[in-house]
Amino acid sequence: GEDVEQSLFLSVREGDSSVINCTYTDSSSTYLYWYKQEPGAGLQLLTYIFSNMDMKQDQRLTVLLNKKDKHLSLRIADTQTGDSAIYFCAEKDDYKLSFGAGTTVTVRA
Amino acid sequence: GAGVSQSPSNKVTEKGKDVELRCDPISGHTALYWYRQSLGQGLEFLIYFQGNSAPDKSGLPSDRFSAERTGGSVSTLTIQRTQQEDSAVYLCASSLQVSRTAQETQYFGPGTRLLVL
Repeated sequence: GEDVEQSLFLSVREGDSSVINCTYTDSSSTYLYWYKQEPGAGLQLLTYIFSNMDMKQDQRLTVLLNKKDKHLSLRIADTQTGDSAIYFCAEKDDYKLSFGAGTTVTVRA
Repeated sequence: GAGVSQSPSNKVTEKGKDVELRCDPISGHTALYWYRQSLGQGLEFLIYFQGNSAPDKSGLPSDRFSAERTGGSVSTLTIQRTQQEDSAVYLCASSLQVSRTAQETQYFGPGTRLLVL
């Protein structure tokens, strides 16, 4: 499988922007995803990007992709307490998804 | 249904017992996936179904694990002779179809939390 890596923790003040980083290894064209997991819940798809794109914006979410460095980031603008969760970066690996370990985002007042 | 559902939501069992975990995919989704989320291993892929067929079972951790899908809908993941290391959250997902190259969003259920004592 492919290796997807993320930093484990992020603490951010309410109202600030959060940036969650991820690196992946697949050099071929692929889809990359961001999922959100709240306590006791399953995974909720936030957004995805194809690897030939540089950026995708969806309301408060901005995904940036540096294909050369295989670096993906998710920026959440105006972070709210409801954004506290674990965020998973995932790479489409053939028919399945390969996930990173997840970044736990804590929003403090 | 409106989303992927799984049952039971929580299961506590004794080491050595068999357990069955159930997944109901989104209506009309031909593809179904099982993943396991554990502290030591993160999120790992177990098996997928295209219709009732499971072309690749290599992700299953051991021969104690098996899965089936009937009628192109409900799937059951069975763990025989459970061990403590089987304790994890078992997540099911479904998508319209399986594709190696095209974007197919996988929609996840809430998971079954399994604890083996």
